[in-house]
Amino acid sequence: ETGVTQTPRHLVMGMTNKKSLKCEQHLGHNAMYWYKQSAKKPLELMFVYNFKEQTENNSVPSRFSPECPNSSHLFLHLHTLQPEDSALYLCASSQASGRNTQYFGPGTRLTVL
Amino acid sequence: EDKVVQSPLSLVVHEGDTVTLNCSYEVTNFRSLLWYKQEKKAPTFLFMLTSSGIEKKSGRLSSILDKKELSSILNITATQTGDSAIYLCAVEEGTSYDKVIFGPGTSLSVIP
Repeated sequence: ETGVTQTPRHLVMGMTNKKSLKCEQHLGHNAMYWYKQSAKKPLELMFVYNFKEQTENNSVPSRFSPECPNSSHLFLHLHTLQPEDSALYLCASSQASGRNTQYFGPGTRLTVL
Repeated sequence: EDKVVQSPLSLVVHEGDTVTLNCSYEVTNFRSLLWYKQEKKAPTFLFMLTSSGIEKKSGRLSSILDKKELSSILNITATQTGDSAIYLCAVEEGTSYDKVIFGPGTSLSVIP
């Protein structure tokens, strides 16, 4: 069990649905990250927030919309997704962005029908 | 284009064997190299390497970075079935923005 939690753990949604993934860290960290892990592909960094400010958007389509209301919470809002967006979405946090160890949550397994 | 390559992509060994996993990278502004172990879902952190030639150890696992060769190795001695996992190599790079590039991973299976 890590200090980073994610909900839901599994999500099935249609292409017209709107849903949100939630991440919460209890480690007192200031940086939070969203990653996507697709089958047979390397882990991809999607977004980075440092002290609630977005510092990285790794060419992610606009159907993924992150929100970081405070240093402990991170959301990923999903709308009009495609089947190829089905993947494991991992959240991580670190003391600050850059040269710090990242701690990962358990992930949300997303299936888009 | 920045990239991280790992080899082999998969490996099957017997308990007690020693394995060496390789990672090489091409990035513009290298900051550090990270090794993770992924079982079932979330990766767990193993090592962060920033300086060349300094070995980091944790039990039966050790890792070293060679900045000249743009590579790193992860060694596991006396392997156990619990070592079966995907081992991910990642490189942090960048100046003002964070960027982490992950390799494809090495899938290690340790059989009794």
